Amino acid sequence: KQEVTQIPAALSVPEGENLVLNCSFTDSAIYNLQWFRQDPGKGLTSLLLIQSSQREQTSGRLNASLDKSSGRSTLYIAASQPGDSATYLCAVNYGGSQGNLIFGKGTKLSVKP
Amino acid sequence: NAGVTQTPKFQVLKTGQSMTLQCAQDMNHNSMYWYRQDPGMGLRLIYYSASEGTTDKGEVPNGYNVSRLNKREFSLRLESAAPSQTSVYFCASRTGTSAVYGYTFGSGTRLTVV
Repeated sequence: KQEVTQIPAALSVPEGENLVLNCSFTDSAIYNLQWFRQDPGKGLTSLLLIQSSQREQTSGRLNASLDKSSGRSTLYIAASQPGDSATYLCAVNYGGSQGNLIFGKGTKLSVKP
Repeated sequence: NAGVTQTPKFQVLKTGQSMTLQCAQDMNHNSMYWYRQDPGMGLRLIYYSASEGTTDKGEVPNGYNVSRLNKREFSLRLESAAPSQTSVYFCASRTGTSAVYGYTFGSGTRLTVV
């Protein structure tokens, strides 16, 4: 069964720290991987999309990497801010007729001022 | 703003009542999806529509029906609501099934069945 795991489930850091969120997946035959942000009571906002042929993607203070051979992706957040506090979800697209996403359960990030 | 619009945002139903959740996208996307999000379970696919005129079951389709009304709209219907269907429902869309396309999500419908 294709599964996506995110560790840790929750993370609290002081403002200004650089941090890494982890995502692992059991089947390396992925199409792409997408990182989302979800604020409490809100929808999902797409942060970064990495194609299976890519190693990393960057957007501002965010950098996502992909290592298919080890079944891992990381989301690096530089110089964290209180506004980064949210739940971060990793989702893997295995393609196929459904082309649907397999989601991890998320990492809840709290950045303290 | 362009995106995925879901209505209603909140709904309380009594067991056995029916309702339809509406979803519309204005990005000319071909594929549309319905997910539910439950604490400790993550998001799970209920139904999807790869293109206009087609719909297929996802991981948790029991108790739901869908209609792809046109390219823009994809509705989710609960014929006889049960407490187990209390959840947050998200609609999503994307241009197509190629690996280059990511998903865009709506803001969700929070449904409580009492």
